Amino acid sequence: SYVLTQPPSVSVAPGQTARITCGGNNIGSKSVHWYQQKPGQAPVLVVFDDSDRPSGIPERFSGSNSGNTATLTINRVEAGDEADYSCQVWDSGSDHVFGGGTKLTVL
Amino acid sequence: QLQLQESGSGLVKPSQTLSLTCAVSGGSISSGGYSWSWIRQPPGKGLEWIGYIYHSGNTYYNPSLKSRVTISVDRSKNQFSLKLSSVTAADTAVYYCARTTVVNTYYFDYWGQGTLVTVSS
Repeated sequence: SYVLTQPPSVSVAPGQTARITCGGNNIGSKSVHWYQQKPGQAPVLVVFDDSDRPSGIPERFSGSNSGNTATLTINRVEAGDEADYSCQVWDSGSDHVFGGGTKLTVL
Repeated sequence: QLQLQESGSGLVKPSQTLSLTCAVSGGSISSGGYSWSWIRQPPGKGLEWIGYIYHSGNTYYNPSLKSRVTISVDRSKNQFSLKLSSVTAADTAVYYCARTTVVNTYYFDYWGQGTLVTVSS
């Protein structure tokens, strides 16, 4: 089965740049999607198809995907960005797969 | 604006069947290009896709749950449902319904707020 690996936690100071990685075998050949989830709330799609943003998502959120690593980048981090972030792909052998999630802490 | 709302029993006894319904408003469940998913999240853990149903009625399930899962659609009520049989404590989770984009790519763009289901005697 296809496995996505994320770091459990990432910490960043306000105004700095946060980078959250998602590792998978040849993930660069797949479309990666990212979700933000605040405590007690449903996930929200923040990036789809590696680097596209749904309407209403700030331009500070961006994504990239190459080789064995996809990355969600959040520029000029704000306190309101503190949340869990999960990556997701579709794999022909495993269907829909989610990473374990990364807790972003804004210091 | 599309909205999804889960409803159903929040407490299920072990070995019984979990039943949930997702009501869709602000759009038709029969729209092409989308399927309708159930996803769950055990307390403190990551997300797990359970399965989805296309507007055509075709279903696809997570192989690890396939033997216990049934997803159905009621187009007249614009809603879809989940049944998970023979539940155990491991099935305790927040259950979400979500719309799934299925044209050239697959992602979940609208989610319900989630409902906690506890399996306990």
